[in-house]
Amino acid sequence: DAGVTQSPTHLIKTRGQHVTLRCSPISGHKSVSWYQQVLGQGPQFIFQYYEKEERGRGNFPDRFSARQFPNYSSELNVNALLLGDSALYLCASSRPLGGSYNSPLHFGNGTRLTVT
Amino acid sequence: QQQVKQSPQSLIVQKGGISIINCAYENTAFDYFPWYQQFPGKGPALLIAIRPDVSEKKEGRFTISFNKSAKQFSLHIMDSQPGDSATYFCAASWGYSTLTFGKGTMLLVSP
Repeated sequence: DAGVTQSPTHLIKTRGQHVTLRCSPISGHKSVSWYQQVLGQGPQFIFQYYEKEERGRGNFPDRFSARQFPNYSSELNVNALLLGDSALYLCASSRPLGGSYNSPLHFGNGTRLTVT
Repeated sequence: QQQVKQSPQSLIVQKGGISIINCAYENTAFDYFPWYQQFPGKGPALLIAIRPDVSEKKEGRFTISFNKSAKQFSLHIMDSQPGDSATYFCAASWGYSTLTFGKGTMLLVSP
């Protein structure tokens, strides 16, 4: 089975622009989470979706938004990009809500976003 | 505030040696403690995980030791190999809350 797939793998944007990142979960997984990983740091939680509903939101500004589609794929949108948004954006999927012993998170390889 | 503190920041171990990475947490509600391994250019991959009702879990060369009273847990890598060179993250969560990650430990196993 294919793992979590993310696109694009790399992206370069200019300050003030908008970006959309995409994620396809593992087949059969209904929950998707988004994390931001700044170089040299651990992943930080942005959003969690389950059955197309937002189930959790991290401490990120309203410039960040996401949604989950009926096929359980997901998009992360970031408006008015800042230099500080440069990071690896990770998507993770799980069967039900993830982050527990019986429902571990499986991560994709991320999208490397560079804002210039 | 939910925090997971990880140490050391970096670690160099000789091939065949034991690598030890430590984490401490504050939130006593945490009930799931996974370790993730991340290679450059890749996403984190689940390595091993433990629940607080168990003091130790072993999978191959990887062992988690858990000390509930001290609110600490650690990853031991026995017979460390150059292929183990990666960044390791501890994490914690409770219920179906999201994972809180440590800042990571960059492990280098010298041949």
